[in-house]
Amino acid sequence: EDQVTQSPEALRLQEGESSSLNCSYTVSGLRGLFWYRQDPGKGPEFLFTLYSAGEEKEKERLKATLTKKESFLHITAPKPEDSATYLCAVRASGGSNYKLTFGKGTLLTVNP
Amino acid sequence: EPEVTQTPSHQVTQMGQEVILRCVPISNHLYFYWYRQILGQKVEFLVSFYNNEISEKSEIFDDQFSVERPDGSNFTLKIRSTKLEDSAMYFCASSSSGVSPLHFGNGTRLTVT
Repeated sequence: EDQVTQSPEALRLQEGESSSLNCSYTVSGLRGLFWYRQDPGKGPEFLFTLYSAGEEKEKERLKATLTKKESFLHITAPKPEDSATYLCAVRASGGSNYKLTFGKGTLLTVNP
Repeated sequence: EPEVTQTPSHQVTQMGQEVILRCVPISNHLYFYWYRQILGQKVEFLVSFYNNEISEKSEIFDDQFSVERPDGSNFTLKIRSTKLEDSAMYFCASSSSGVSPLHFGNGTRLTVT
């Protein structure tokens, strides 16, 4: 069974204080690792897809990296508007398996 | 930017009643999904739908649940006889291929009383 574990569960940062979120995964064969942002009462908003170990993607203050066992979401000089829950999800390879399996998320709060 | 739209945003129903949640996926997408999120818990997969049939479903998606694509634009989730534990946020999602990311709507909050 595919498993995704995210840590920490919650993270408080001061504005400008850089940090990283972790996503560990167990999957039979990886057909993509996905990062989403979720604001309260809203649906997950797509950020990045990573397909192979060593791959990196960047968008504004966010950078996602991937190894064979985990992914990191690095947040550089965060702003209060980066406050949200960040979700990691994996898609396993094989057959008609298109679904994503999500972790519980990391609730990020950035204080001004 | 194209988006997935869901209606209604909030639905209140009594236990035992049938509900239909509606979704309009992104127009050129071919893969459709329903997920749910119970308050404070993770986003859970219910069902995926491709080529007019269910491609995969979870243990949660029992005989009380069904999905339909009645026309070229809508995708619906029906719960035949709602239970208290069906109270959750239900998200519809779509993707353009089996390897591309899912794009989610903003959900329908279902409250069963």
